[in-house]
Amino acid sequence: GAVVSQHPSWVICKSGTSVKIECRSLDFQATTMFWYRQFPKQSLMLMATSNEGSKATYEQGVEKDKFLINHASLTLSTLTVTSAHPEDSSFYICSARDRAWNEQFFGPGTRLTVL
Amino acid sequence: AQTVTQSQPEMSVQEAETVTLSCTYDTSESDYYLFWYKQPPSRQMILVIRQEAYKQQNATENRFSVNFQKAAKSFSLKISDSQLGDAAMYFCAYRVFTGNQFYFGTGTSLTVIP
Repeated sequence: GAVVSQHPSWVICKSGTSVKIECRSLDFQATTMFWYRQFPKQSLMLMATSNEGSKATYEQGVEKDKFLINHASLTLSTLTVTSAHPEDSSFYICSARDRAWNEQFFGPGTRLTVL
Repeated sequence: AQTVTQSQPEMSVQEAETVTLSCTYDTSESDYYLFWYKQPPSRQMILVIRQEAYKQQNATENRFSVNFQKAAKSFSLKISDSQLGDAAMYFCAYRVFTGNQFYFGTGTSLTVIP
């Protein structure tokens, strides 16, 4: 089956620093990737949709200057949390869509803790 | 607007018994997918079962089956012969047939009692 990886799986950083999270589709080309945020015991909240080679589309209320998304290739999308603050601490999940199968596959998630 | 509602925040079931998780949704679309995802403590989202709205036959995957009532916009998940490994958060989700975006419910936490 299709595999989506995320790196790192967990990260701790100091307030004010930037953190980059990578999402990779390992055995298929992902024309579209999605970034979700999940708070403890809550559902997944879509943050943005990224298409390869174009700007990401952000959901209402998501700060595009704070959560920078780059989808530079058909297998890689990155989410950079800039000037992180403790309230940015959360679990971030990416998913990737395979056009051929019209399926979406989820990565294992990244736990971000901002001190 | 598409919304997905899971009215049971927590459920429990005795091992080897059957449990049904409820899900309702609201949409004006006629072609769409419905999903049940399992999220164990590892937090990895795992697809449990998928239903295409145009199919009248309910989807089944081994011990997992759904009761899809399109007119009522209801999509419940039945887990038979529950196992300890079934303990997890379960999310109901909706996606328009030609769209990208998933709409998730708020989840149901399932506990399996030995």
